[in-house]
Amino acid sequence: DTEVTQTPKHLVMGMTNKKSLKCEQHMGHRAMYWYKQKAKKPPELMFVYSYEKLSINESVPSRFSPECPNSSLLNLHLHALQPEDSALYLCASSQAGAFYGYTFGSGTRLTVV
Amino acid sequence: AQSVTQLDSQVPVFEEAPVELRCNYSSSVSVYLFWYVQYPNQGLQLLLKYLSGSTLVESINGFEAEFNKSQTSFHLRKPSVHISDTAEYFCAVSLFSGGYNKLIFGAGTRLAVHP
Repeated sequence: DTEVTQTPKHLVMGMTNKKSLKCEQHMGHRAMYWYKQKAKKPPELMFVYSYEKLSINESVPSRFSPECPNSSLLNLHLHALQPEDSALYLCASSQAGAFYGYTFGSGTRLTVV
Repeated sequence: AQSVTQLDSQVPVFEEAPVELRCNYSSSVSVYLFWYVQYPNQGLQLLLKYLSGSTLVESINGFEAEFNKSQTSFHLRKPSVHISDTAEYFCAVSLFSGGYNKLIFGAGTRLAVHP
């Protein structure tokens, strides 16, 4: 298995809703990442997990809450989002230590109404 | 600090013509360089990478990139493009900090292949 699987592919949520994005990989990668990508822009790093521990939070608002239940799963919990949070949310994974690049999932297209 | 500059935001080209997408980086240490491709409504796919060794790297679909240390460049080329190559292309450099590798992306180049 050489893929990163993200669910759902599309999500529409109201500003008072609570929802979660899910990411799964079975490549044995010990580093996992959440990126946010706005239209016609490059991905922006949000969070980094290394060996299931949160290593980096790139000053992301608390309405985004990451969780890494085990080495294969990464969640992003969403609560009280704003319309400007609408974007493509990408999950990626990589080997820890020696670096060969990231493997990205196909993303979740989030629309906040 | 490490950064990546993609010199062209859009590159229009006719089918079967050659194309070059330009990428320059700045780094004070050894670098790992990458090209990713993003097709509409999809995630990013690794196209090719330079880690060390030969300065010319190739992908399986006909793209190649050359690492040029003196010019701090990593331009992407293809001798003959297809309609299916229409996509967004991102150049990226890695930064190792705090025990993990962080990819720093350029702004992207939109390749539009016309018939």
